[in-house]
Amino acid sequence: GAVVSQHPSRVICKSGTSVKIECRSLDFQATTMFWYRQFPKQSLMLMATSNEGSKATYEQGVEKDKFLINHASLTLSTLTVTSAHPEDSSFYICSAIQGGNEKLFFGSGTQLSVL
Amino acid sequence: GENVEQHPSTLSVQEGDSAVIKCTYSDSASNYFPWYKQELGKGPQLIIDIRSNVGEKKDQRIAVTLNKTAKHFSLHITETQPEDSAVYFCAAWNFGNEKLTFGTGTRLTIIP
Repeated sequence: GAVVSQHPSRVICKSGTSVKIECRSLDFQATTMFWYRQFPKQSLMLMATSNEGSKATYEQGVEKDKFLINHASLTLSTLTVTSAHPEDSSFYICSAIQGGNEKLFFGSGTQLSVL
Repeated sequence: GENVEQHPSTLSVQEGDSAVIKCTYSDSASNYFPWYKQELGKGPQLIIDIRSNVGEKKDQRIAVTLNKTAKHFSLHITETQPEDSAVYFCAAWNFGNEKLTFGTGTRLTIIP
């Protein structure tokens, strides 16, 4: 299957700082990428849909000023958690649609821990 | 919106036996049904999928069946092995609104 690369895999930061997570489609172009959040032993919760060259669409209840999403190219989307707080600690996962066969592939996830 | 229910939430199977996980969906417009395997600390991995114009699909030890009328689909794993232990998620996708809705997950444990 197609490869979606996500970095970093783990990050620990202090409360009040910002953290950027990168999501890259390595062998295909992705006009649409998605960002999910996952709490322990729970399913994935869609945070936002990221479209190349346009503003992201956020799900209800997700603060767009806190979770900044940029999709500047067909292979890269970034999620920046601004002014992180302990309650933002979670597992964040990106995904991308491989055009043509319309399959959705996921990155390896980023475990964010805010102290 | 779409609602996907998944059962069971946990499943323990003796190595070599078969495992079956079932999902139901609510939106008749959903037309693509992938299954993902997630290991601890990793992202979901696509293991098999089926589109609404097909009733069954098989890939080695893994098979998926779809009943559009009843709006349910199932994952079948035969000859289970310890490395099959993971959390499995079903999902329903409506290409029209690009929304992928996940089930609640099944923690599968293969007992050696």
